[in-house]
Amino acid sequence: DVKVTQSSRYLVKRTGEKVFLECVQDMDHENMFWYRQDPGLGLRLIYFSYDVKMKEKGDIPEGYSVSREKKERFSLILESASTNQTSMYLCASSLGQGGGWSTDTQYFGPGTRLTVL
Amino acid sequence: AQRVTQPEKLLSVFKGAPVELKCNYSYSGSPELFWYVQYSRQRLQLLLRHISRESIKGFTADLNKGETSFHLKKPFAQEEDSAMYYCALRGYGNKLVFGAGTILRVKS
Repeated sequence: DVKVTQSSRYLVKRTGEKVFLECVQDMDHENMFWYRQDPGLGLRLIYFSYDVKMKEKGDIPEGYSVSREKKERFSLILESASTNQTSMYLCASSLGQGGGWSTDTQYFGPGTRLTVL
Repeated sequence: AQRVTQPEKLLSVFKGAPVELKCNYSYSGSPELFWYVQYSRQRLQLLLRHISRESIKGFTADLNKGETSFHLKKPFAQEEDSAMYYCALRGYGNKLVFGAGTILRVKS
């Protein structure tokens, strides 16, 4: 059974702080994703990675960066948090095939609700 | 451009009534469509995908390329179906694009 875990369920930070959100998957998946989930907007892709040290921008990368130093871990970084980054952040992973994309299922973590004051 | 539209933010039905959650998409190629579901206090999970043509928990969805739709249907709603439902499209760049979501409330 695939397990995707996120380091915190709830996080409160102040404007301007550097924020790290961690995601770990235990199924040797190649692909990992970060989304934010907002009412009325659904899920929007921030960044994704299809291999260690590889990253690609999603639809809303501004204000975010990511790091994937190990296959099982994908970190989302807010260099200088702002109030408009208050949101629910979801991490997901999928199997992948040979480093490329496939029609496989994305497995989601429980989410981190970030509040920036 | 690729886009997924779920026109209803909230759909409220009585137990035993038929359910149809609407999803329309915009994509010029051959799309792959999914329905994801998030039950209360649970994580988002895949419900079904059009390519498998299967029924999950009594739900079905048919891809209609002429109408660019992928509506989710169930003939008899149950209280445990209450959840947030997202329609998603895999299009350009193999990324998933999600709709805004529809909350389904099944009343007893």
